[in-house]
Amino acid sequence: EAGVTQSPTHLIKTRGQQATLRCSPISGHTSVYWYQQALGLGLQFLLWYDEGEERNRGNFPPRFSGRQFPNYSSELNVNALELEDSALYLCASSLARVAIGFEKLFFGSGTQLSVL
Amino acid sequence: GQSLEQPSEVTAVEGAIVQINCTYQTSGFYGLSWYQQHDGGAPTFLSYNALDGLEETGRFSSFLSRSDSYGYLLLQELQMKDSASYFCAGIKAAGNKLTFGGGTRVLVKP
Repeated sequence: EAGVTQSPTHLIKTRGQQATLRCSPISGHTSVYWYQQALGLGLQFLLWYDEGEERNRGNFPPRFSGRQFPNYSSELNVNALELEDSALYLCASSLARVAIGFEKLFFGSGTQLSVL
Repeated sequence: GQSLEQPSEVTAVEGAIVQINCTYQTSGFYGLSWYQQHDGGAPTFLSYNALDGLEETGRFSSFLSRSDSYGYLLLQELQMKDSASYFCAGIKAAGNKLTFGGGTRVLVKP
């Protein structure tokens, strides 16, 4: 069974440009989560999509946005790129909502975004 | 808000035991998870504690005390391949999101 896949693996952009990152969840998983991991730091929650809708977002500016498609794949868009957006962007999927009951996350290997 | 605090780095030798502590400040908190991430790799799930007490999975064990807002991950019989970053993560039901600690880098030496 294929895991969570992300593309591209690496992305180089310049300040002010837009970046689009893509994620395909594990087959059957309906929830997709996006996290930002700056070098040497922890994972900062960005966005959560479930059944095609944005369910929650972290403390990031509106220029971070995304969507989830009918096949549950997702894309993350970052507009007006800034130097501090350089980070590893991780996508994760789960079988159901991470709620009162437990649902573990399955992560992809990430997209390394470099803003020059 | 919700924050989880972990030591930034731990160094130990092969065969040793390492305990990684995680303290958190939050309300309405449900459980504590642990993830392992090797350099350049994806985080992978290790364990989850929904209730107080110890959960054992092979060489790794995880503990939670909700009254103390504290948990730990215990790595026993350390092996070189255990060199990685370890993250605790907590969830608030109202937010439906998993919040991660800053991670603890474990370096295993021969």
